[in-house]
Amino acid sequence: DAGVIQSPRHEVTEMGQEVTLRCKPISGHNSLFWYRQTMMRGLELLIYFNNNVPIDDSGMPEDRFSAKMPNASFSTLKIQPSEPRDSAVYFCASSSNLGTGGKTQYFGPGTRLLVL
Amino acid sequence: GENVEQHPSTLSVQEGDSAVIKCTYSDSASNYFPWYKQELGKGPQLIIDIRSNVGEKKDQRIAVTLNKTAKHFSLHITETQPEDSAVYFCAATLNTGNQFYFGTGTSLTVIP
Repeated sequence: DAGVIQSPRHEVTEMGQEVTLRCKPISGHNSLFWYRQTMMRGLELLIYFNNNVPIDDSGMPEDRFSAKMPNASFSTLKIQPSEPRDSAVYFCASSSNLGTGGKTQYFGPGTRLLVL
Repeated sequence: GENVEQHPSTLSVQEGDSAVIKCTYSDSASNYFPWYKQELGKGPQLIIDIRSNVGEKKDQRIAVTLNKTAKHFSLHITETQPEDSAVYFCAATLNTGNQFYFGTGTSLTVIP
């Protein structure tokens, strides 16, 4: 089974440029999560979707960040314009809402973003 | 919301010894507690989980215990091996939601 797929795996860009990160969740999963990981702040939830609808975007740091999920198999996280402090590893995770109780999240390999 | 605390932040053990990582949570409504292992350059991978209707769960050298009264849960790794070296994260989630509340991570080093 293919796990969560993220692209690109590495991104180096200059301050002010637009950055688009992509994620393909596990087939059949209907929840998708975007996280940011840094040494200082650990794993931070940025936004999550249920059935392609954004549910909680309170973790999105500012208006420069936006996320979309146009269909069940694709999501993007966009940063425009990018700044050096956005340098981090960005993870996408997905889960299934079937059943009751907590839902296991499966993480992708991450995108390592460096903004110069 | 939920608040998860994790200790210790770093842990070094000799190969073959046991390692224990502890987490506490604040919301008694939390009912699912996964543990993730993150190796260098990779995404977090689920290694074991426990639900609130169970007090302990084992999978080979890994076990997790849950004390609902005290609101804490622990990861136990026995007979540690160098490949166990990684960062381990605990998490908790409420019954009514999807959001995970992660601990701050424990960097485990197993010394050969």
